[in-house]
Amino acid sequence: ETGVTQSPTHLIKTRGQQVTLRCSSQSGHNTVSWYQQALGQGPQFIFQYYREEENGRGNFPPRFSGLQFPNYSSELNVNALELDDSALYLCASSLGDWERNEQFFGPGTRLTVL
Amino acid sequence: AQSVTQLGSHVSVSEGALVLLRCNYSSSVPPYLFWYVQYPNQGLQLLLKYTSAATLVKGINGFEAEFKKSETSFHLTKPSAHMSDAAEYFCAVSVLTGTASKLTFGTGTRLQVTL
Repeated sequence: ETGVTQSPTHLIKTRGQQVTLRCSSQSGHNTVSWYQQALGQGPQFIFQYYREEENGRGNFPPRFSGLQFPNYSSELNVNALELDDSALYLCASSLGDWERNEQFFGPGTRLTVL
Repeated sequence: AQSVTQLGSHVSVSEGALVLLRCNYSSSVPPYLFWYVQYPNQGLQLLLKYTSAATLVKGINGFEAEFKKSETSFHLTKPSAHMSDAAEYFCAVSVLTGTASKLTFGTGTRLQVTL
């Protein structure tokens, strides 16, 4: 059973640029969630995709967008990068979007915005 | 709104001592609660979860947590700390946002284990 994988592991961008982060969900999982973890804080929910549709979103502006593909892998896109976007971005997969289902996390992508 | 509060941002214990990490929840409905561990420069690993079955939940690596409705608590314990337990621990509650199930995390507790 393959776990959740993310790419790249590290990324450095400058303000105003755009970035795409990628996530492959655990085998058999059809739901992907994205979280932002700033240094020293707990992860914050960005959005969730279930069967290729966004089905919930946290308090993040529209410049944070995503996609889920037929194989349930996912992308997180961030436009017009700001310094505060520097964080660890975590992807988590689960089977279904029910609250009781545990979410399995990938290792994260560390984004630095200069 | 459902939320969790972790008391103590840093906890230090000696190797072999009891580990107690505190988490209190706020919820108007029966909550689904989780404990995750994060090692440096890694993602989160699930330790255990409470989904309204048994109130005493056993997890991996010798950890367990007890759901106490009267105290709105879900504290994490381990009888004997090991050096390898040093990490950041997060308590989380699963919340429905629209039709999505999002995890709302506490601020985390960093566990230090000393010789």
